Amino acid sequence: DAGITQSPRYKITETGRQVTLMCHQTWSHSYMFWYRQDLGHGLRLIYYSAAADITDKGEVPDGYVVSRSKTENFPLTLESATRSQTSVYFCASSESMPQETQYFGPGTRLLVL
Amino acid sequence: QQQVKQSPQSLIVQKGGISIINCAYENTAFDYFPWYQQFPGKGPALLIAIRPDVSEKKEGRFTISFNKSAKQFSLHIMDSQPGDSATYFCAASMKTGANNLFFGTGTRLTVIP
Repeated sequence: DAGITQSPRYKITETGRQVTLMCHQTWSHSYMFWYRQDLGHGLRLIYYSAAADITDKGEVPDGYVVSRSKTENFPLTLESATRSQTSVYFCASSESMPQETQYFGPGTRLLVL
Repeated sequence: QQQVKQSPQSLIVQKGGISIINCAYENTAFDYFPWYQQFPGKGPALLIAIRPDVSEKKEGRFTISFNKSAKQFSLHIMDSQPGDSATYFCAASMKTGANNLFFGTGTRLTVIP
C-alpha cells in the first residue's frame, strides 16, 4: 500500500534546464494537486487536476506545466528552471473534492543553481 | 496576498502546557477550515477540520475554536507533548468556484520536556 509517492526526492539542476517532478498515487483519487512550500509563504497551490485530462491553475502557475493522462499520475514540469523555483514541492490527492482530506506525498526538494 | 493569516510564526511551550495557534481570514465564502500537521522531512497530514456551523470541535487533545463574526479560528493543543513538535498549518476553502485550499504561513511548535 504505497499511497502517494514522489520522485525524485532531491534534485539539483541549473537555470534554464527542464525538470520534471513525478507524482503517483495508488488510491484512484480523482483530485490531485501540486504545491510549493517556501519559508514565509506556507504552501501555495501551483496546479490541480479534477480528473484525467482535466487540469487548472492554482495561485502560482507561471513557469510550470502539468499533464494528467492517467488518473494515478500527475507530473509537474518546469520548462526552463529559474532560481526562484528553488523550493520543496508537494503532491497531494483527495478522493472526490478538494475539501476532503488531502493526502500529501513526502515532497521533492529542488535546488536550481 | 495571503488569504489566511497565521500567527505566531514560532511557538515554544513546556510539556503539559497549552499551545495556541491563531488564524484569520477575510473571505466570508470560506466554509471549510482544516489544520494540517507537518513533521520535518514529511508531507503535511490532516489533523482536524471544522465547518462554520459549529463553534468548536474537539478530537483528543486537539481543539479548533471558530469565531465566525470575527473571521478567526484557532488550534488549541492541550497537555502538549514533545511528540507534538511540528509545523502546523491552518487552511481555508470554499465549496463554490475554485474550492482549493488556501494555507496559512505555518507555525513551528516546539514542546520542551
